[in-house]
Amino acid sequence: SQQGEEDPQALSIQEGENATMNCSYKTSINNLQWYRQNSGRGLVHLILIRSNEREKHSGRLRVTLDTSKKSSSLLITASRAADTASYFCATDAIFYNQGGKLIFGQGTELSVKP
Amino acid sequence: DVKVTQSSRYLVKRTGEKVFLECVQDMDHENMFWYRQDPGLGLRLIYFSYDVKMKEKGDIPEGYSVSREKKERFSLILESASTNQTSMYLCASSAGTSFLLYNEQFFGPGTRLTVL
Repeated sequence: SQQGEEDPQALSIQEGENATMNCSYKTSINNLQWYRQNSGRGLVHLILIRSNEREKHSGRLRVTLDTSKKSSSLLITASRAADTASYFCATDAIFYNQGGKLIFGQGTELSVKP
Repeated sequence: DVKVTQSSRYLVKRTGEKVFLECVQDMDHENMFWYRQDPGLGLRLIYFSYDVKMKEKGDIPEGYSVSREKKERFSLILESASTNQTSMYLCASSAGTSFLLYNEQFFGPGTRLTVL
C-alpha cells in the first residue's frame, strides 16, 4: 500500500523560479524525509522533519509538515539547472513495528530549464 | 564519507538464470534494504535485514531471496530470472534498530538489470 503520494508528478520551471512539491500520507508518522535522485542514480537524503516540527530549512530547501492534514511540502528556492532530478518523500509509519523501514512515494520529476 | 556500493551498474541476464546482486556498506549499519524501482511505481521494498542472518520480507518478495552472512554485505538473489524482473535495483543501509530512531537511508548507485 502506498503511504506517500507526491504531487505534481512532473514539474517544469525556469532557472531562478521556486519549485514546490507536495507529499500526502495516510497513517501517523515519526518523521518524514525527502530524497533526491538524479537520473539513473541512487537516492540522496535531503532533509528530515520530525512529527513534532512544522517547518525546517536547509540551504535553499524549506520543508513544512502538517500532521493534521497528513501532508508535507518541499520548496526549493531560486532553482538551478542542477536541481533537475526526481524528488521523493518517505515516511516511517508508526504502525509498522519494524525498525528503520521507510515507505517512499512515487516521486516528483523536476525539470529546471536554463 | 559514507558509502554503499553495488557490484554492477548494468547487468544483462537470460531468462532462467540465477542472478546475484551484491551490496556492501562501510558504515557499520545494522539495517540493509533492497528495493526495485520501476517507472510509475516508485520504489518498492523487496527484502530488508536488521542484523546478520536476519531477513524480513518487504512488499514484493516473490521471486527473490536474500542473504546476509556478514554485517556489511547484503545480497539479493533471483533464483530463476524472468523478464518481469527487468528493473533498477537499489540497495540502501541505515543505522539504528528501532523505528523511533532517526533512520536516514544511504543508497548505492543502483544496478540496472535487464532479463532477456
